[in-house]
Amino acid sequence: DQQVKQNSPSLSVQEGRISILNCDYTNSMFDYFLWYKKYPAEGPTFLISISSIKDKNEDGRFTVFLNKSAKHLSLHIVPSQPGDSAVYFCAASFSSTLTFGKGTMLLVSP
Amino acid sequence: DGGITQSPKYLFRKEGQNVTLSCEQNLNHDAMYWYRQDPGQGLRLIYYSQIVNDFQKGDIAEGYSVSREKKESFPLTVTSAQKNPTAFYLCASSSGTGRRETQYFGPGTRLLVL
Repeated sequence: DQQVKQNSPSLSVQEGRISILNCDYTNSMFDYFLWYKKYPAEGPTFLISISSIKDKNEDGRFTVFLNKSAKHLSLHIVPSQPGDSAVYFCAASFSSTLTFGKGTMLLVSP
Repeated sequence: DGGITQSPKYLFRKEGQNVTLSCEQNLNHDAMYWYRQDPGQGLRLIYYSQIVNDFQKGDIAEGYSVSREKKESFPLTVTSAQKNPTAFYLCASSSGTGRRETQYFGPGTRLLVL
Protein backbone atom coordinates (compact mmCIF):
# COMPACT_ATOMS: atom_id res chain seq x y z
CA ASP A 1 0.00 0.00 0.00
CA GLN A 2 1.66 3.18 -1.21
CA GLN A 3 1.41 5.93 1.37
CA VAL A 4 3.13 8.52 -0.81
CA LYS A 5 2.09 8.70 -4.44
CA GLN A 6 3.52 10.60 -7.37
CA ASN A 7 1.03 9.80 -10.09
CA SER A 8 2.89 11.39 -12.99
CA PRO A 9 5.92 9.30 -14.01
CA SER A 10 7.16 12.11 -16.25
CA LEU A 11 6.68 15.78 -17.08
CA SER A 12 8.00 17.84 -20.01
CA VAL A 13 8.33 21.62 -19.77
CA GLN A 14 9.93 24.30 -21.89
CA GLU A 15 12.79 26.37 -20.51
CA GLY A 16 11.56 29.48 -18.72
CA ARG A 17 8.10 28.11 -17.99
CA ILE A 18 6.77 26.78 -14.69
CA SER A 19 7.19 23.14 -13.67
CA ILE A 20 4.61 21.76 -11.24
CA LEU A 21 5.28 18.38 -9.65
CA ASN A 22 2.55 16.80 -7.57
CA CYS A 23 2.48 14.40 -4.64
CA ASP A 24 -0.40 12.84 -2.70
CA TYR A 25 -0.25 11.04 0.63
CA THR A 26 -2.68 8.85 2.52
CA ASN A 27 -1.30 8.80 6.06
CA SER A 28 -2.66 11.72 8.06
CA MET A 29 0.10 11.22 10.62
CA PHE A 30 2.71 12.64 8.21
CA ASP A 31 3.76 16.08 9.42
CA TYR A 32 6.97 16.83 7.54
CA PHE A 33 7.47 16.71 3.80
CA LEU A 34 10.55 16.96 1.63
CA TRP A 35 11.48 17.12 -2.05
CA TYR A 36 14.66 15.58 -3.41
CA LYS A 37 16.21 15.85 -6.86
CA LYS A 38 18.12 12.90 -8.32
CA TYR A 39 20.34 12.52 -11.37
CA PRO A 40 20.99 9.01 -12.77
CA ALA A 41 23.57 6.97 -10.85
CA GLU A 42 23.84 9.64 -8.14
CA GLY A 43 22.38 10.07 -4.67
CA PRO A 44 19.32 12.30 -4.15
CA THR A 45 19.97 15.93 -3.29
CA PHE A 46 17.73 17.69 -0.77
CA LEU A 47 15.79 20.59 -2.32
CA ILE A 48 13.19 21.95 0.03
CA SER A 49 10.96 20.89 2.92
CA ILE A 50 7.76 21.98 4.65
CA SER A 51 6.22 21.15 8.00
CA SER A 52 2.52 20.59 8.45
CA ILE A 53 2.08 23.86 10.32
CA LYS A 54 2.79 25.77 7.11
CA ASP A 55 1.11 25.80 3.72
CA LYS A 56 3.95 27.30 1.69
CA ASN A 57 7.72 27.43 1.75
CA GLU A 58 9.97 29.19 -0.76
CA ASP A 59 13.64 28.88 -1.58
CA GLY A 60 14.75 30.77 -4.66
CA ARG A 61 13.13 29.25 -7.75
CA PHE A 62 11.55 26.45 -5.70
CA THR A 63 8.26 26.70 -3.81
CA VAL A 64 6.45 23.89 -2.05
CA PHE A 65 2.74 24.11 -1.32
CA LEU A 66 0.94 21.89 1.20
CA ASN A 67 -2.82 21.29 1.25
CA LYS A 68 -3.43 19.20 4.35
CA SER A 69 -7.15 18.80 3.83
CA ALA A 70 -6.53 17.29 0.41
CA LYS A 71 -3.38 15.46 1.58
CA HIS A 72 -1.57 16.97 -1.38
CA LEU A 73 1.65 18.82 -1.91
CA SER A 74 3.26 20.30 -4.96
CA LEU A 75 6.66 21.62 -5.98
CA HIS A 76 6.78 24.64 -8.28
CA ILE A 77 9.95 25.51 -10.17
CA VAL A 78 9.98 28.97 -11.76
CA PRO A 79 11.58 29.57 -14.18
CA SER A 80 12.51 26.05 -15.24
CA GLN A 81 16.02 25.51 -16.57
CA PRO A 82 17.52 22.61 -18.56
CA GLY A 83 19.70 21.76 -15.55
CA ASP A 84 16.52 21.03 -13.61
CA SER A 85 16.01 17.90 -15.73
CA ALA A 86 16.13 15.04 -13.21
CA VAL A 87 13.91 12.72 -11.21
CA TYR A 88 12.11 14.43 -8.32
CA PHE A 89 11.10 12.44 -5.25
CA CYS A 90 8.54 13.49 -2.70
CA ALA A 91 9.07 12.13 0.84
CA ALA A 92 7.02 12.29 4.03
CA SER A 93 7.74 11.66 7.70
CA PHE A 94 5.98 11.34 11.05
CA SER A 95 8.73 9.44 12.85
CA SER A 96 12.46 9.18 12.41
CA THR A 97 12.11 7.59 8.97
CA LEU A 98 11.02 8.86 5.55
CA THR A 99 8.53 7.33 3.11
CA PHE A 100 9.28 8.09 -0.54
CA GLY A 101 7.12 8.29 -3.64
CA LYS A 102 8.23 6.62 -6.86
CA GLY A 103 9.43 9.86 -8.41
CA THR A 104 8.59 12.07 -11.40
CA MET A 105 11.08 12.54 -14.22
CA LEU A 106 11.20 16.19 -15.26
CA LEU A 107 12.56 17.10 -18.68
CA VAL A 108 13.15 20.78 -19.37
CA SER A 109 13.80 21.47 -23.03
CA PRO A 110 15.62 24.58 -24.33
CA ASP B 1 34.70 18.82 2.88
CA GLY B 2 31.96 17.20 4.92
CA GLY B 3 29.85 14.55 3.33
CA ILE B 4 28.88 10.95 2.90
CA THR B 5 31.05 8.52 0.98
CA GLN B 6 30.01 5.14 -0.34
CA SER B 7 32.29 2.53 -1.79
CA PRO B 8 32.66 0.89 -4.14
CA LYS B 9 30.71 2.66 -6.88
CA TYR B 10 30.04 -0.70 -8.57
CA LEU B 11 30.06 -4.13 -6.92
CA PHE B 12 29.64 -7.55 -8.43
CA ARG B 13 28.32 -10.48 -6.46
CA LYS B 14 28.53 -14.15 -7.33
CA GLU B 15 25.72 -16.52 -6.45
CA GLY B 16 25.83 -17.53 -2.78
CA GLN B 17 28.32 -14.82 -1.86
CA ASN B 18 28.00 -12.21 0.86
CA VAL B 19 29.13 -8.70 -0.04
CA THR B 20 29.57 -5.60 2.12
CA LEU B 21 28.85 -2.04 1.05
CA SER B 22 30.68 0.74 2.84
CA CYS B 23 29.15 4.01 4.08
CA GLU B 24 31.14 6.66 5.94
CA GLN B 25 30.11 10.16 7.02
CA ASN B 26 32.11 13.01 8.53
CA LEU B 27 29.11 15.22 9.25
CA ASN B 28 28.95 14.17 12.91
CA HIS B 29 25.41 12.95 12.26
CA ASP B 30 23.78 10.66 14.79
CA ALA B 31 21.44 8.76 12.47
CA MET B 32 22.30 6.71 9.39
CA TYR B 33 20.11 4.87 6.89
CA TRP B 34 20.30 2.36 4.06
CA TYR B 35 17.90 2.42 1.13
CA ARG B 36 17.47 0.36 -1.98
CA GLN B 37 16.28 1.79 -5.31
CA ASP B 38 14.97 -0.37 -8.15
CA PRO B 39 14.17 0.95 -11.64
CA GLY B 40 10.97 2.98 -11.66
CA GLN B 41 10.64 2.67 -7.91
CA GLY B 42 11.08 4.98 -4.99
CA LEU B 43 13.58 4.47 -2.22
CA ARG B 44 12.79 1.66 0.19
CA LEU B 45 14.28 1.59 3.67
CA ILE B 46 16.42 -1.43 4.54
CA TYR B 47 17.89 -0.58 7.97
CA TYR B 48 18.51 2.50 10.05
CA SER B 49 20.53 3.38 13.11
CA GLN B 50 19.88 6.26 15.49
CA ILE B 51 22.85 5.64 17.76
CA VAL B 52 26.05 3.62 17.90
CA ASN B 53 25.55 -0.10 18.61
CA ASP B 54 21.83 0.10 17.87
CA PHE B 55 19.86 -0.33 14.65
CA GLN B 56 16.32 -1.12 13.48
CA LYS B 57 14.86 -2.98 10.55
CA GLY B 58 13.20 -1.01 7.81
CA ASP B 59 10.57 -2.17 5.34
CA ILE B 60 12.76 -4.66 3.43
CA ALA B 61 15.42 -5.93 5.89
CA GLU B 62 15.26 -9.62 4.91
CA GLY B 63 18.54 -10.81 3.41
CA TYR B 64 20.52 -7.84 4.74
CA SER B 65 22.55 -7.16 7.87
CA VAL B 66 24.21 -4.04 9.31
CA SER B 67 26.48 -2.94 12.11
CA ARG B 68 27.08 0.43 13.79
CA GLU B 69 30.29 0.15 15.77
CA LYS B 70 31.36 3.74 15.08
CA LYS B 71 29.32 6.90 14.68
CA GLU B 72 30.91 7.57 11.30
CA SER B 73 30.36 4.15 9.73
CA PHE B 74 27.31 2.06 8.84
CA PRO B 75 28.25 -0.87 6.57
CA LEU B 76 25.57 -2.97 4.88
CA THR B 77 26.06 -6.67 4.14
CA VAL B 78 23.99 -8.22 1.38
CA THR B 79 23.79 -11.88 2.30
CA SER B 80 23.22 -14.92 0.11
CA ALA B 81 19.68 -15.01 1.51
CA GLN B 82 18.83 -11.90 -0.53
CA LYS B 83 17.52 -13.52 -3.70
CA ASN B 84 17.22 -10.37 -5.79
CA PRO B 85 20.13 -8.15 -4.78
CA THR B 86 20.61 -6.28 -8.06
CA ALA B 87 19.77 -2.65 -7.24
CA PHE B 88 21.18 0.79 -6.51
CA TYR B 89 21.98 1.14 -2.80
CA LEU B 90 21.93 4.52 -1.10
CA CYS B 91 23.23 5.48 2.32
CA ALA B 92 21.96 8.59 4.11
CA SER B 93 22.48 10.38 7.40
CA SER B 94 20.70 13.01 9.48
CA SER B 95 21.95 15.14 12.32
CA GLY B 96 19.28 14.12 14.78
CA THR B 97 16.75 11.40 15.33
CA GLY B 98 13.66 13.53 15.63
CA ARG B 99 10.60 13.58 13.45
CA ARG B 100 11.62 16.50 11.26
CA GLU B 101 15.12 15.67 10.23
CA THR B 102 16.43 16.15 6.73
CA GLN B 103 18.38 13.19 5.41
CA TYR B 104 21.45 13.70 3.22
CA PHE B 105 22.53 11.05 0.78
CA GLY B 106 25.75 9.54 -0.46
CA PRO B 107 26.49 8.89 -4.14
CA GLY B 108 25.29 5.27 -4.10
CA THR B 109 26.63 1.80 -4.92
CA ARG B 110 25.28 -0.25 -7.80
CA LEU B 111 25.26 -3.97 -7.02
CA LEU B 112 25.14 -6.47 -9.87
CA VAL B 113 24.90 -10.23 -9.73
CA LEU B 114 27.20 -12.29 -11.94
